[in-house]
Amino acid sequence: AQSVTQLGSHVSVSEGALVLLRCNYSSSVPPYLFWYVQYPNQGLQLLLKYTSAATLVKGINGFEAEFKKSETSFHLTKPSAHMSDAAEYFCAVSDFGDDKIIFGKGTRLHILP
Amino acid sequence: EPEVTQTPSHQVTQMGQEVILRCVPISNHLYFYWYRQILGQKVEFLVSFYNNEISEKSEIFDDQFSVERPDGSNFTLKIRSTKLEDSAMYFCASREIGLPGETQYFGPGTRLLVL
Repeated sequence: AQSVTQLGSHVSVSEGALVLLRCNYSSSVPPYLFWYVQYPNQGLQLLLKYTSAATLVKGINGFEAEFKKSETSFHLTKPSAHMSDAAEYFCAVSDFGDDKIIFGKGTRLHILP
Repeated sequence: EPEVTQTPSHQVTQMGQEVILRCVPISNHLYFYWYRQILGQKVEFLVSFYNNEISEKSEIFDDQFSVERPDGSNFTLKIRSTKLEDSAMYFCASREIGLPGETQYFGPGTRLLVL
């Protein structure tokens, strides 16, 4: 069965520093991959998604993620963290032709002033 | 921008009671979903719904659960006889017509607490 592993339930970075949130998936066939963000008391908002068009995917708010098949990874990065980036981030996967999304446990990102 | 809405935002109920969680998907969307997240655990798929019938359901979605689209705008999740372990955040999602993998848009969730 498809699964997603997010390393680190909590990550803290200083404002202005690089953000790196790690995600690995288990699939022998490249799936659809997603990053969702959840701000306090809000729903899950799509940051970006990979659907095999390009390995480097750019999303909203300056985030991007790179699909690396050899590493089965889809890490999320942002060059310079902002206080407003503090939220919970979920990596998710969906097999081609499958309609349900499988989520990771989430990583809470803390931004230090 | 259109968004998925859910009511209520919080629901407290006694074990054994029935609850109905309500969702209003984005108006031109045709595929609807329920997910849930038990505190500290992953967001889990419960059920997908298209053309007035269930497309797929997970093992969690047993006979105590049902979904309905009672009118052209609402999509509901009913839990017939709640258990303590049903306490969770329940998310509704919807997407427009297209292939699986099209973006699912999520609502803000309903936090259900079963006492």
